[in-house]
Amino acid sequence: DGGITQSPKYLFRKEGQNVTLSCEQNLNHDAMYWYRQDPGQGLRLIYYSQIVNDFQKGDIAEGYSVSREKKESFPLTVTSAQKNPTAFYLCASSRASGRPHEQFFGPGTRLTVL
Amino acid sequence: AQSVTQPDIHITVSEGASLELRCNYSYGATPYLFWYVQSPGQGLQLLLKYFSGDTLVQGIKGFEAEFKRSQSSFNLRKPSVHWSDAAEYFCAVGARDSGYSTLTFGKGTMLLVSP
Repeated sequence: DGGITQSPKYLFRKEGQNVTLSCEQNLNHDAMYWYRQDPGQGLRLIYYSQIVNDFQKGDIAEGYSVSREKKESFPLTVTSAQKNPTAFYLCASSRASGRPHEQFFGPGTRLTVL
Repeated sequence: AQSVTQPDIHITVSEGASLELRCNYSYGATPYLFWYVQSPGQGLQLLLKYFSGDTLVQGIKGFEAEFKRSQSSFNLRKPSVHWSDAAEYFCAVGARDSGYSTLTFGKGTMLLVSP
């Protein structure tokens, strides 16, 4: 059954700690994305990657970092530099060739900073 | 840069009534348009998409959308709403820049269904 998995579903962090959110896909997609969702703000793009070992900053990359060592995996680290990290985080993937393609989303991770 | 406006933050519709959710986009080239639905605490599910051709596109769950280039709109419609349609709906426009493709999302419209 192809899809995207995100773990954990809920994550609690103390201020000043880094935390890593997992995203794995078995859709054989080249492109992967991380979004942040806040109430009334829609989805805002944090980072995206079109190929292994390459990634680009999105609109709100400050305080976040990513890696793309494998095609299937695109983990997001929320660093202590992110001033307001409490949010719902969504990972997505898509084909990468030619025109923009529909993105397939994971179930999300809700991060709460205590 | 591309942008999407969903003018309605909340809409309440009676069960069985028709629905139209508005979406206006701004993009200089041929738009690639999408509608997604999100239930609380869940990821997004694709309802339908428009790339080219027939301006009326059919999607899942009985939804359709009409692309109107002259109005820069891509409104979502359903003839008869069910209580299970209560969710948040997002319109998105796709763009390709410097070899990378991304989607820009609107802020969403929350649909409430009254009995």
